[in-house]
Amino acid sequence: ELKVEQNPLFLSMQEGKNYTIYCNYSTTSDRLYWYRQDPGKSLESLFVLLSNGAVKQEGRLMASLDTKARLSTLHITAAVHDLSATYFCAGIGSSNTGKLIFGQGTTLQVKP
Amino acid sequence: DTEVTQTPKHLVMGMTNKKSLKCEQHMGHRAMYWYKQKAKKPPELMFVYSYEKLSINESVPSRFSPECPNSSLLNLHLHALQPEDSALYLCASSHSLALGEKLFFGSGTQLSVL
Repeated sequence: ELKVEQNPLFLSMQEGKNYTIYCNYSTTSDRLYWYRQDPGKSLESLFVLLSNGAVKQEGRLMASLDTKARLSTLHITAAVHDLSATYFCAGIGSSNTGKLIFGQGTTLQVKP
Repeated sequence: DTEVTQTPKHLVMGMTNKKSLKCEQHMGHRAMYWYKQKAKKPPELMFVYSYEKLSINESVPSRFSPECPNSSLLNLHLHALQPEDSALYLCASSHSLALGEKLFFGSGTQLSVL
């Protein structure tokens, strides 16, 4: 079955700095998703990456997908405190079932 | 309306109680999901319904009983739960089970079993 691993699991960074969260997955996943979760809250969909080489950007976040390397990245540019949250990547466990397999999550703490 | 609404937001129950979690969406989505999330862990799939029929049961104990009475509603009936069942229960929906469909998550029910 698909396994999804994120690193780092915890990231503390200063405002204004750049950083990247990595998401590796073990077998073919037709899609790769990124979600944000604030403490005690639900999951907010950030990006759906559909194909090799896909790059999507919104605000200070940019996600990319390399299916050959089985790697997705979430790049944070000039971090601000509001980006503090837990970020999950997820792949499709099996086709046409809607079963998402989530990574462990990366807790991001942006300090002023 | 792009919301998935879950009630209640918080629930405390004893091990002998029977309770139900409710989930509702009016986006015309035909796939609905229950996920369980323990603190500081990722969500784990429990059940998937597609066109009101159970599509996936991830070997969930029978003390959890899902029900999809119509295309907009999804319930999770709880009976004789254990303290280790305490978690955040998330409902989600998507247009269908097709690849690439975005899942919309509700705000969750925080369940505590005493």
